[in-house]
Amino acid sequence: QKEVEQNSGPLSVPEGAIASLNCTYSDRGSQSFFWYRQYSGKSPELIMSIYSNGDKEDGRFTAQLNKASQYVSLLIRDSQPSDSATYLCAVNKLADDMRFGAGTRLTVKP
Amino acid sequence: KAGVTQTPRYLIKTRGQQVTLSCSPISGHRSVSWYQQTPGQGLQFLFEYFSETQRNKGNFPGRFSGRQFSNSRSEMNVSTLELGDSALYLCASSLTGLNTGELFFGEGSRLTVL
Repeated sequence: QKEVEQNSGPLSVPEGAIASLNCTYSDRGSQSFFWYRQYSGKSPELIMSIYSNGDKEDGRFTAQLNKASQYVSLLIRDSQPSDSATYLCAVNKLADDMRFGAGTRLTVKP
Repeated sequence: KAGVTQTPRYLIKTRGQQVTLSCSPISGHRSVSWYQQTPGQGLQFLFEYFSETQRNKGNFPGRFSGRQFSNSRSEMNVSTLELGDSALYLCASSLTGLNTGELFFGEGSRLTVL
């Protein structure tokens, strides 16, 4: 079992729709959770961080964390073609390393 | 504010050689972490340095090593290169370290081993 698992996709949604990206992790001691976006040929950039159970909203992005289910998700509302990228879920345990999922490739079709 | 700078951006080596990659973090950032990115394995953590000390290390062989200087610049070295070392090597800087997760990545050094 991989430590951080994501569906590789590709996930395709029409412009204006909600894109839902999911991530599960295996280490119950994980404390910090992040979503990075990586455009093709570019380096990852942080878009959301979440540390406690529940939802965290930032503009069109909402991160959801459920530690009991070891599940993190990212919702992108009103998806735009510019959101087309690979989304990486990252998980950290205090004083430990950073574990990334393999990423989900999202395509938003005009 | 200057971003994270990695050099060289591209390099080609042959098996058995060694390579040194450099990373200059954002000014004021004391944490530098290194990652290997390949299509098959995704982004894998190599190690993290904070104030010249290695704090964390991923599951890579001893051929992969690094260091950090007093100005926070970091280098990583890969000795006795293997074909499987071909990858994009990314470094990321952070103000406080991995647990805050706010990593700022450089553009990467793309290594090809022939």
